[in-house]
Amino acid sequence: NAGVMQNPRHLVRRRGQEARLRCSPMKGHSHVYWYRQLPEEGLKFMVYLQKENIIDESGMPKERFSAEFPKEGPSILRIQQVVRGDSAAYFCASSGQALQETQYFGPGTRLLVL
Amino acid sequence: QKEVEQDPGPLSVPEGAIVSLNCTYSNSAFQYFMWYRQYSRKGPELLMYTYSSGNKEDGRFTAQVDKSSKYISLFIRDSQPSDSATYLCAADNYGQNFVFGPGTRLSVLP
Repeated sequence: NAGVMQNPRHLVRRRGQEARLRCSPMKGHSHVYWYRQLPEEGLKFMVYLQKENIIDESGMPKERFSAEFPKEGPSILRIQQVVRGDSAAYFCASSGQALQETQYFGPGTRLLVL
Repeated sequence: QKEVEQDPGPLSVPEGAIVSLNCTYSNSAFQYFMWYRQYSRKGPELLMYTYSSGNKEDGRFTAQVDKSSKYISLFIRDSQPSDSATYLCAADNYGQNFVFGPGTRLSVLP
């Protein structure tokens, strides 16, 4: 998973602030997935993106959360007006275009909302 | 009912033991099954990947899928303390999104 880059690794925000999480997929990968992991819980799918397209955002809260994957640059997960319940580890994964491709994860961003 | 169920553990075994980790799933459309290992405060790392039913072996690790009973297993032979981690199973319905189990915490005691 060393190929998927995420930054920052740790992010501290106060309630009401905005959090921006970045993900650079593995070289050659054009599919990006965002997951949230709460302490002692499994990974929960949030959103699946390809370049300039949101393919599936069924796991993302309807309010305050948005994601993008522009033609150039990293994928961004944006959380507006953060609340304490947003504190979690957010993982990005990427996959290539080949059939039967699986996902490779980044190291995660740990968000703490004070 | 969750789509992928997994005993969260923790599971403690002595070094050298054979470890059996298991998941069950409810969606019969799942065709791809994965095992990820996650060390504390790290991202999940892909261990094994199998398609449909059958076995797959890679070194000390064997993944087994039984679609008839919707059962996924990971066996670790000659377990080492470095195998201590959380093991996540995941299933996918080709092109759809991965569904992860909650993970089983494994401790291999020296």
